Amino acid sequence: GEDVEQSLFLSVREGDSSVINCTYTDSSSTYLYWYKQEPGAGLQLLTYIFSNMDMKQDQRLTVLLNKKDKHLSLRIADTQTGDSAIYFCAETQNRDDKIIFGKGTRLHILP
Amino acid sequence: DTAVSQTPKYLVTQMGNDKSIKCEQNLGHDTMYWYKQDSKKFLKIMFSYNNKELIINETVPNRFSPKSPDKAHLNLHINSLELGDSAVYFCASKGQYTEAFFGQGTRLTVV
Repeated sequence: GEDVEQSLFLSVREGDSSVINCTYTDSSSTYLYWYKQEPGAGLQLLTYIFSNMDMKQDQRLTVLLNKKDKHLSLRIADTQTGDSAIYFCAETQNRDDKIIFGKGTRLHILP
Repeated sequence: DTAVSQTPKYLVTQMGNDKSIKCEQNLGHDTMYWYKQDSKKFLKIMFSYNNKELIINETVPNRFSPKSPDKAHLNLHINSLELGDSAVYFCASKGQYTEAFFGQGTRLTVV
């Protein structure tokens, strides 16, 4: 199938790390993305990783890619209230450049 | 300069009407897409075009007709609007060796 799977909800205390996990299906995917969507807003590209990398770090964000298991994760260090949003994992399929999205993980920050 | 711009941002219209949403990208990308985000926030691909040619058409009712006058534009025309067409529609573009960029979305409400 063409599913990108991620859990729908995650609750994290402010100041802790958030880890959002995702599995994808196409082993030939070129780009893997994390998008953030705040209420009523558009899709903000948070970060992406190319398939020949296994890790990418950008300030508080760390992306880990395990190609063997087709597993992608996004770690947000020192989670803040402003990180409350829906986080979408997505893959670009190599054969037709189709971008497939997961259903989104709703990150809720606890005080 | 906005990379991918969609107009209008909001569209409220009555059932049965015909409406269009426009999308333009100034990134020189070859591939453009339309996505639909439903009330549960799930994102589904509708169409993709590469250099003005239709590549992907994902079981979308034929009331939806994309038009690509040139590779920088991909417009979406919808005939005989139905209540179920209410959603947020996102346009995106991608180069052969780049990540994808999304527009800010068009919130369509059919009443």
